[in-house]
Amino acid sequence: DSGVTQTPKHLITATGQRVTLRCSPRSGDLSVYWYQQSLDQGLQFLIHYYNGEERAKGNILERFSAQQFPDLHSELNLSSLELGDSALYFCASSVGITSSTDTQYFGPGTRLTVL
Amino acid sequence: LAKTTQPISMDSYEGQEVNITCSHNNIATNDYITWYQQFPSQGPRFIIQGYKTKVTNEVASLFIPADRKSSTLSLPRVSLSDTAVYYCLEDGGATNKLIFGTGTLLAVQP
Repeated sequence: DSGVTQTPKHLITATGQRVTLRCSPRSGDLSVYWYQQSLDQGLQFLIHYYNGEERAKGNILERFSAQQFPDLHSELNLSSLELGDSALYFCASSVGITSSTDTQYFGPGTRLTVL
Repeated sequence: LAKTTQPISMDSYEGQEVNITCSHNNIATNDYITWYQQFPSQGPRFIIQGYKTKVTNEVASLFIPADRKSSTLSLPRVSLSDTAVYYCLEDGGATNKLIFGTGTLLAVQP
């Protein structure tokens, strides 16, 4: 158990819909990272928040957005869903502002299926 | 984006040493290299991280040559429970760069 929690574990929805994925970081961690894992694209970095502020963006679509709240939990919002958005979505947390010298702890993931 | 390539799969037997190599042809000066292990239906788990030369911890060693164009994860005396997918990561820290390799499925046989 990494100490990072994600809800829901599974999510099934239809094309065109909007969903929200939630992540609670480990106690004391200020950074939250979101990743998408699919069979064809592998593990892809989406976005990084540190203490409520957006720090870096990766391959995140404009239909996707995220935020980190004052209690440090984070939400990833996916809208206008397409079949290709079906994937595992992971969040990870770390203590500091930069991941390069910090260990990231991954949550168990949310499996999103878009029908 | 730069590709970070790894062998798709490797086979080994219990008790052997396994070396998994990742290529980093476009690694940047500030990038660290991190390796993760992932079991089915679980999130990746940190194994080891380095910048250059050799790093060793209680579970693995990481070798990074002077030109940093590759990295090699070394797992001593693997067991069945080491069967998993192993990913390398080029981590640019404060930049937008967090690039995972394609992953290597390690299958350990009895």
